[in-house]
Amino acid sequence: EIVLTQSPGTLSLSPGERATLSCRTSQSVSSRRLAWYQQRPGQAPRLLLYGSSNRATGIPDRFSGSGSGTDFTLTISRLEPEDFAVYYCQQYGTSFPWTFGQGTKVEIK
Amino acid sequence: EVRLVESGGDLVQPGRSLKLSCAASGFTFGEYAMHWVRQVPGKGLECVSGISWNSNTIAYAGSLEGRFTVSRDNAKNSLYLQMNSLRPEDTALYFCVKERGSYFSGAFDLWGQGTMVTVSS
Repeated sequence: EIVLTQSPGTLSLSPGERATLSCRTSQSVSSRRLAWYQQRPGQAPRLLLYGSSNRATGIPDRFSGSGSGTDFTLTISRLEPEDFAVYYCQQYGTSFPWTFGQGTKVEIK
Repeated sequence: EVRLVESGGDLVQPGRSLKLSCAASGFTFGEYAMHWVRQVPGKGLECVSGISWNSNTIAYAGSLEGRFTVSRDNAKNSLYLQMNSLRPEDTALYFCVKERGSYFSGAFDLWGQGTMVTVSS
């Protein structure tokens, strides 16, 4: 099973600031098989990026992703009030079970 | 409207069984692989099971030890999860999830709101 480790656990920032979230995998993952999700309180997760850098339908361009091998990054260029949430990375399309990171909470400073 | 609606969650005693259902609408259900993902309240996400568009490929998390069975009925646009020999550690919110692909190849692009399963005596 591939283990995903996200850092930091919590990111305290102000609206308008840039957020950089990290996801490290225990073994190399194809960049085509890495996704990012956002989960707001009381809501189901929502797909943000797939294939490490492709935005899902309706996702604004302030969200971007990069990375390869074992290191991946989600960047939110300028935080909007609705962006304060928990973010998960996930590897998929490999042997089951597909796994998620433990999450990074982006909170208002 | 594109949506997934889960049902069947309940409070059950350890060792009992429960069947979850998921009704899909607004997209061609039979063209996509589907999954169940669970989340202990306040905790992270765990893939439980997945099933390909034609039910030919099915997979489970190893931790389930053969207690759960996933199935689908494309004619009814429905996904199911039969859960047997339930344990307290199965307590979680269970999400029905659509994959972008047909055969275990895509990210999860549509989630239901979840149905809560509580296993307790």
